[in-house]
Amino acid sequence: DAGVIQSPRHEVTEMGQEVTLRCKPISGHDYLFWYRQTMMRGLELLIYFNNNVPIDDSGMPEDRFSAKMPNASFSTLKIQPSEPRDSAVYFCASRPKTGKSRNTIYFGEGSWLTVV
Amino acid sequence: DQQVKQNSPSLSVQEGRISILNCDYTNSMFDYFLWYKKYPAEGPTFLISISSIKDKNEDGRFTVFLNKSAKHLSLHIVPSQPGDSAVYFCAASSGNQFYFGTGTSLTVIP
Repeated sequence: DAGVIQSPRHEVTEMGQEVTLRCKPISGHDYLFWYRQTMMRGLELLIYFNNNVPIDDSGMPEDRFSAKMPNASFSTLKIQPSEPRDSAVYFCASRPKTGKSRNTIYFGEGSWLTVV
Repeated sequence: DQQVKQNSPSLSVQEGRISILNCDYTNSMFDYFLWYKKYPAEGPTFLISISSIKDKNEDGRFTVFLNKSAKHLSLHIVPSQPGDSAVYFCAASSGNQFYFGTGTSLTVIP
């Protein structure tokens, strides 16, 4: 089975530009999570969706960040305008609602964002 | 405020010896705990987990211990192998949310 797929793997952009990160969760998974990894805070949850509906976005740092999930197989995390302090690795993850794996989340390989 | 803490940013262990990685949490409502392993340029991968109704779970060379009264979790790797060198994240969940620590970088010296 294909895992969580993220794109782009690497993105270098100039301050002020819009950045869009994309995620395809594992098929059949009901929950989708966006995490950001930084040295200081480790893996911090930005937002998560249940059946395409945003449930908790309290981790989104500022209004410059927004996330959507138009269908069960696609989500985007957008930063507009981007700033150098947004430079980090952004991970998408998913998990099923039921079954043996319901207590485990599965990560994509991450999108490495550098804002210069 | 960090609800899950890994106070050791790094750990070095000789090949063949035991590696012990520690994790503390603050929320007594957490009912499931996990360890993830992360290699450079890759996403975290699930390693082992434990429910709050247990105090130990073992899978091959990996054992996770849970001390609920101390709100402490540990991962033991015996024997340690060079391929175990990675960053290890502990995580705790309550319902649908998963909270992660800042990670411990393990280096196993051949």
